Amino acid sequence: EAEVAQSPRYKITEKSQAVAFWCDPISGHATLYWYRQILGQGPELLVQFQDESVVDDSQLPKDRFSAERLKGVDSTLKIQPAELGDSAMYLCASTLGPRTGIQYFGPGTRLLVL
Amino acid sequence: KQEVTQIPAALSVPEGENLVLNCSFTDSAIYNLQWFRQDPGKGLTSLLLIQSSQREQTSGRLNASLDKSSGRSTLYIAASQPGDSATYLCAVPNTGTASKLTFGTGTRLQVTL
Repeated sequence: EAEVAQSPRYKITEKSQAVAFWCDPISGHATLYWYRQILGQGPELLVQFQDESVVDDSQLPKDRFSAERLKGVDSTLKIQPAELGDSAMYLCASTLGPRTGIQYFGPGTRLLVL
Repeated sequence: KQEVTQIPAALSVPEGENLVLNCSFTDSAIYNLQWFRQDPGKGLTSLLLIQSSQREQTSGRLNASLDKSSGRSTLYIAASQPGDSATYLCAVPNTGTASKLTFGTGTRLQVTL
């Protein structure tokens, strides 16, 4: 069964360092999402891609976060510099297209900033 | 702005009991509603998706209902098992051109032996 892949699964870093997360969506899925989930809360969208284009990044802290999906397939989310408040689970999801139903989630990357 | 609320925040039931989880949303103009399961420290697993034109959706021991006009959905779990212990989240997509999901904060379920 096709799955969304994410790496690394866990990341510990010190504040002010740079971190990067990778996501490979299900093959053929044009829409890719990055969500951030703080412990005890529901996920919140950071950025949405349609193919290689950003559709929604209104909640992305652009002074320190960046995201790219250069070839419209896999995607990278970067934080530089990391802050203590960035400690969270970062989830990637994909769908065939916008509003086409089920969003499939990857296992997530748990980030701890010390 | 869409807001999603889930009640209760936590629930503990003995094995074998039937239970209902509640989800409410403020903007009834939704395309669909999705229920997810999340095990501790893990990603989300989709359980059921109900289209806006549907009233119910069933999968095994799970049954989800949707009442758009009242802004409510319920997830019914029959004959609960310890393996059902997890956090259950409901989510609705944005009604604009994007399709980001707005999530509730979840119901943490524990099924005891």
